[in-house]
Amino acid sequence: LAKTTQPISMDSYEGQEVNITCSHNNIATNDYITWYQQFPSQGPRFIIQGYKTKVTNEVASLFIPADRKSSTLSLPRVSLSDTAVYYCLVGDTGRRALTFGSGTRLQVQP
Amino acid sequence: NAGVMQNPRHLVRRRGQEARLRCSPMKGHSHVYWYRQLPEEGLKFMVYLQKENIIDESGMPKERFSAEFPKEGPSILRIQQVVRGDSAAYFCASSPSRPSTDTQYFGPGTRLTVL
Repeated sequence: LAKTTQPISMDSYEGQEVNITCSHNNIATNDYITWYQQFPSQGPRFIIQGYKTKVTNEVASLFIPADRKSSTLSLPRVSLSDTAVYYCLVGDTGRRALTFGSGTRLQVQP
Repeated sequence: NAGVMQNPRHLVRRRGQEARLRCSPMKGHSHVYWYRQLPEEGLKFMVYLQKENIIDESGMPKERFSAEFPKEGPSILRIQQVVRGDSAAYFCASSPSRPSTDTQYFGPGTRLTVL
């Protein structure tokens, strides 16, 4: 199972773009990259998922280089409500047990 | 479409009592997962169930813990003879029967406190 490494914490200000990079050197061919967001006292919420290149939805963008050994979650123009823990997960679509690391704690200040 | 429902949201038990946590998956979802989260840590997988079957229980302690997902009704995570170390947030997630990717939808969690 591919292990992920991401920064423990990040600080930003409202209106800025935030990029959180996750390293997954041992990613396997069948693995997808998924990001979840978790607010205090709530369950994780799915943000975005990708396999390669770039994926964009109404919330975020996910950049995956050709070697897929890392990925970057990009949050455009963050607001205070984006303060949360962000988890990068890597796994085979056939494997059901999600493995969460410690995540990146993003603090957005006014 | 209602999301994943969990109850109770908060549960207090004394050492030695039993704790029962319930999870109702999203409509149309037949896969249920249970995770445990300790303070300041990521979620840890416990068990994966489909209707009436346990598919993967590799993350669940062998003793005192059990899970079921009956044909009718919610999934139940049962902890017998609770100890203080069982205090944690327990999250349930569900996914569709034939997902194209491994996306799980999480409930709000049950916070168990063992006195």
